[in-house]
This record gives sequence, structure tokens and C-alpha cells, in this order.
Amino acid sequence: EAGVAQSPRYKIIEKRQSVAFWCNPISGHATLYWYQQILGQGPKLLIQFQNNGVVDDSQLPKDRFSAERLKGVDSTLKIQPAKLEDSAVYLCASSLVAPGQGFGTEAFFGQGTRLTVV
Amino acid sequence: GNSVTQMEGPVTLSEEAFLTINCTYTATGYPSLFWYVQYPGEGLQLLLKATKADDKGSNKGFEATYRKETTSFHLEKGSVQVSDSAVYFCALSSGSARQLTFGSGTQLTVLP
Repeated sequence: EAGVAQSPRYKIIEKRQSVAFWCNPISGHATLYWYQQILGQGPKLLIQFQNNGVVDDSQLPKDRFSAERLKGVDSTLKIQPAKLEDSAVYLCASSLVAPGQGFGTEAFFGQGTRLTVV
Repeated sequence: GNSVTQMEGPVTLSEEAFLTINCTYTATGYPSLFWYVQYPGEGLQLLLKATKADDKGSNKGFEATYRKETTSFHLEKGSVQVSDSAVYFCALSSGSARQLTFGSGTQLTVLP
């Protein structure tokens, strides 16, 4: 079974530039998560989708971050404009579970995209 | 809201030593609890899980017991190996949307 695919693996941009990350979840997984992991910290949830609808985006800085999940499959996360404090690893994960179901269902993570803003 | 608190790291042990990494949580309802591991250069992967009080999750010699009375899910291993060197994250899943909340992670280094 193919895992969660993310690209690019690494990205370096200057502040105020824009950047986009792409995620292809495991086939058939209804739930997709984007996390931000700052060095030395645990992953922080940015946005959670079920199919192509948003379940939770309460921690997404909506003035600069946006995300979409087209046709309930692939997803893109965009930052525009980037700030120095956005330097982090951006993790995508997917899970078979749909909200309201599946106690203990595992989330599978991609390798992440390491973003450096200079 | 939900939160997970892990013991501060980094932790350095000699091979065959006993490992404990403490984890406590705050959550509404009855969360599921997880330990994820991140080996150098790799993505996060599930190590073990428990879905209800007094459940014990186990994998690769690691164990953790869901203690509702103390809201804890401490990770233990009786004899660590160099290959266990990694960052360990405690996490919980809770709420109707199954939001997954992580602790800050504990870096473990095992020396030969």
C-alpha cells in the first residue's frame, strides 16, 4: 500500500514570497490533516478535512494560510505571504476514519516538507 | 481544550537500560491515546495505542497503559537498544471529529 506522498521535500523562500505544498493521501482515506511542526516542538494541527469539507481550521492563520482538498483526494496548503516564523516542517497525514467513527484509528503521516523562510 | 504534556527531554540512556517517558493529558470525553515515533530522517509512525481505560498498548517491546484515574499514558521499555534512538510523541484523539493532538516530543538517545 502506497503511503502519504508530499512534495516538495525541501523549500527555501524569502519572506513575503508565496509557497505551496502538495499532499496525496492514502487511497480511500476520508480524513486528511495538515500539521505544522516547528523545530523542537510537537506537530500543531492547522486544518482537518473530511473528504473535501473542512472539519477544523481553528488554528489556521487565515490571513496568510489557505488549504483546499479537491474532489476529496489531493490537498494543497499555501502560504502567502510567508513570514520568518513560518519556518517549520509541514506534515500531511490521512486516516480511514470519518468523524464520529473509529475510536483509535491510526493516522498515517507523509515525510513532510521542510520550509525555510529567509 | 485538549492537551498533552510530555516529560522534558532529551533523554540519554545506555543500551539495555529501562526507559520511562511520562505523558499526561487533558481531554473532553473519552480520548484514544497514542505513542508515535519519529526516527532520524523518517516520518511519524504509530508505535502503539489504547482506546479505553486500563487498555495496554504494546509493540516492539514498548508498552503503555491507559490510566483514566491519573490521566496518564506513560511509555515504558524494559531494555532499550541503540536502534530505539528517536523522538517519541504522545498524542490523543478526541471529539466528534477525532482531532489528533500531540505533545511536544521527547528525544531519546541510546548509547552503546
